[in-house]
Amino acid sequence: QQQVKQSPQSLIVQKGGIPIINCAYENTAFDYFPWYQQFPGKGPALLIAIRPDVSEKKEGRFTISFNKSAKQFSLHIMDSQPGDSATYFCAASRGGGSNYKLTFGKGTLLTVNP
Amino acid sequence: DAGVTQSPTHLIKTRGQQVTLRCSPKSGHDTVSWYQQALGQGPQFIFQYYEEEERQRGNFPDRFSGHQFPNYSSELNVNALLLGDSALYLCASTAGVSDEQYFGPGTRLTVT
Repeated sequence: QQQVKQSPQSLIVQKGGIPIINCAYENTAFDYFPWYQQFPGKGPALLIAIRPDVSEKKEGRFTISFNKSAKQFSLHIMDSQPGDSATYFCAASRGGGSNYKLTFGKGTLLTVNP
Repeated sequence: DAGVTQSPTHLIKTRGQQVTLRCSPKSGHDTVSWYQQALGQGPQFIFQYYEEEERQRGNFPDRFSGHQFPNYSSELNVNALLLGDSALYLCASTAGVSDEQYFGPGTRLTVT
C-alpha cells in the first residue's frame, strides 16, 4: 500500500516557469510533510517542510501549499532555473521526523530548460 | 561542520555474501536512520537507532541488521545478499528534538 502518492513522474519547464509537484497521503496521523531535492549520485537534501496547522509556507523560491481536508500538499518553485533540475521527493511522518520514519513518494524528475 | 558521512561510496558483492555499511551522523545528532533507495524509487525506511538501540523498524527481513556505537555512528549489515538488495543505501541523522532528517551521500551496493 503506497501511503504517499506523488505526481507527475516527470516534468519539463522553461527557465522562469513555475513547476508544481503534487502529493496525496492516506494516513491522517501524518503531521510533518517535508520536501527533498536529490541530484544524481547524491543523497536527498531537505528543502522545506510544513505541518498541518498552516496552509502555506514559503522559503526563498520554494512554496508548500497544504490542504488538510483533501489530504494533499504541493511544492511550487518560483522563477525556476536550470540548476533546479533534479528529482524531488515529498515525504510524510507521524509525530515529527526525529522519532518516526519518513514515508516517501516515488519522486518527480524535474528538467528546467534554459 | 561535516555533514552526514557514509562509507564506502560504492561496493560490489556476490549473491550470498555479507556486507557492512557505515555512517557517521552530523555533529550534534544522536539518532540515525537507514533507508534503501532502489533505482527510480523513493527511499524506503529500514530502521532507526537511538541510544544504541533499534527504536523502529520498517518492512525489511531479519537479514538486515544494524548497530549504533557510543559515538552515535552506525553500521548496517546485510546477510545472504540477494540481487534485489542492489540499491543506494542512505543514512540520515537527526538531533533528538528536531524534525529535520539530514541525509548522507549514500553507499551504492551492487549485488551480482
